[in-house]
Amino acid sequence: DTEVTQTPKHLVMGMTNKKSLKCEQHMGHRAMYWYKQKAKKPPELMFVYSYEKLSINESVPSRFSPECPNSSLLNLHLHALQPEDSALYLCASSQDWGTDTQYFGPGTRLTVL
Amino acid sequence: QKEVEQDPGPLSVPEGAIVSLNCTYSNSAFQYFMWYRQYSRKGPELLMYTYSSGNKEDGRFTAQVDKSSKYISLFIRDSQPSDSATYLCAGMDSSYKLIFGSGTRLLVRP
Repeated sequence: DTEVTQTPKHLVMGMTNKKSLKCEQHMGHRAMYWYKQKAKKPPELMFVYSYEKLSINESVPSRFSPECPNSSLLNLHLHALQPEDSALYLCASSQDWGTDTQYFGPGTRLTVL
Repeated sequence: QKEVEQDPGPLSVPEGAIVSLNCTYSNSAFQYFMWYRQYSRKGPELLMYTYSSGNKEDGRFTAQVDKSSKYISLFIRDSQPSDSATYLCAGMDSSYKLIFGSGTRLLVRP
């Protein structure tokens, strides 16, 4: 089973709202990732967690706050977003960071009004 | 110059055709190479991965890497309408980040 699940599938929020995206995998992978993908563009890396510790933050604005409660779960907390943050947010996981392939979830389509 | 260059297409072929998708890259440090398929409004699905020059085959798909010319290819035999999607190539750089091409949109006509 190479499944990464993400909830919700769709999210519409105002600029003053606080919301969270959730990602889960049960493959025993120790690395998890958040990507942002705009329409007709490739995914762009935001964060990498390895063994539940934040390993990479690609200079993402603080209105995006990642959290890794345990080895199977990854959250992305959203606050005071801008309309230009509207995108598909993808979660991925891999056995280890840097030595294996990444498996992506279906994504959460976020619209910021 | 982007680290991974990929023709955006669209590439339109008749059903049953052999499809050739290509990428070039500039970073000599790339060790691993992947091909992902992405249907509209879905997450990327891993198709093939390889870490050496040469060919790797899996069913109707063949991935080819030529490190000397920094060229990677994906061949799809007996293409089907269900293969219609965007195909993303990616290389993994020395800091273990995946660097994606912009994707090629493929349309297989019935």
